[in-house]
Amino acid sequence: EVQLLESGGGLVQPGGSLRLSCAASGFTFSSYVMNWVRQAPGKGLEWVSAISGSGGSIYYADSVKGRFTISRDNSKNTLYLQMNGLRAEDTAVYYCAKDRVDKFGYWGQGTLVTVSS
Amino acid sequence: QSVLTQPPSVSAAPGQKVTISCSGSSSKIGNNYVSWYQQLPGTAPKLLIYDNNERPSGIPDRFSGSKSGTSATLGITGLQTGDEADYYCGTWDSSLSAYVFGTGTKVTVL
Repeated sequence: EVQLLESGGGLVQPGGSLRLSCAASGFTFSSYVMNWVRQAPGKGLEWVSAISGSGGSIYYADSVKGRFTISRDNSKNTLYLQMNGLRAEDTAVYYCAKDRVDKFGYWGQGTLVTVSS
Repeated sequence: QSVLTQPPSVSAAPGQKVTISCSGSSSKIGNNYVSWYQQLPGTAPKLLIYDNNERPSGIPDRFSGSKSGTSATLGITGLQTGDEADYYCGTWDSSLSAYVFGTGTKVTVL
C-alpha cells in the first residue's frame, strides 16, 4: 500500500525558514517523480515543485522560485522541501504527491504551514 | 501562476448528470494531458481521471473525462450525495515548465 506522510509544518515568522519532509513507503521511491502541492485556507490547489526520480530534473512554480528548494534522498525514501524567506502568502497545507509531473496518483494527508508574526 | 478556468459551481439532483469544463490554451491543455481531482471536505485530493480520459483502478465509470482542443470536460453520471466535493482539473504548461490547476468547481447535489 502506497503511503506518503508529510511532517515539519508549523508556525514560523515572516522571513523565516522551514523544512518539510515526506516519508514514502509501499512503492519503489526512486522510480517516481515526486511533487509538492499546496492549498491556502479556503483556496484552490497550487502546484509548488516537482523532482524526477533521480533528482536530476527539478521544476518550480514562479511564486516560490529562488526561495524554496526541493530535494530527495532515495536511500531514505524521503522527499524534502526547504522553504526560506517565508511570506504570509505561503501559509497553506502542503501535500506531497507521487507519480509524474502531470499526474498525481497518490497524495499524503498534508502538513500545515502558518507564516505569521 | 497561470490557471485553467472552471465554473465556480455546478449542481444537480441525485441520479442526474453534471459536466465540468476546464478551459486553457495551446501551451497547456492543447498539447498536454489533463487530469481531474476530487477533494472531499477536509481531505486530501484524489485522482479521478488522468491522461484526459483514463480512470485509476477503483474509480467508478460514472466519472469520465474528455478533451477537445484547448478545453477538457469532466462528466459525472448517476450523481450521489457522496459526490459533493470540489473538483480540479490540471495539466502541464509547456511554456512555463510548470503544472497548473484549474480554479476549482464545487459540485452540489440538490
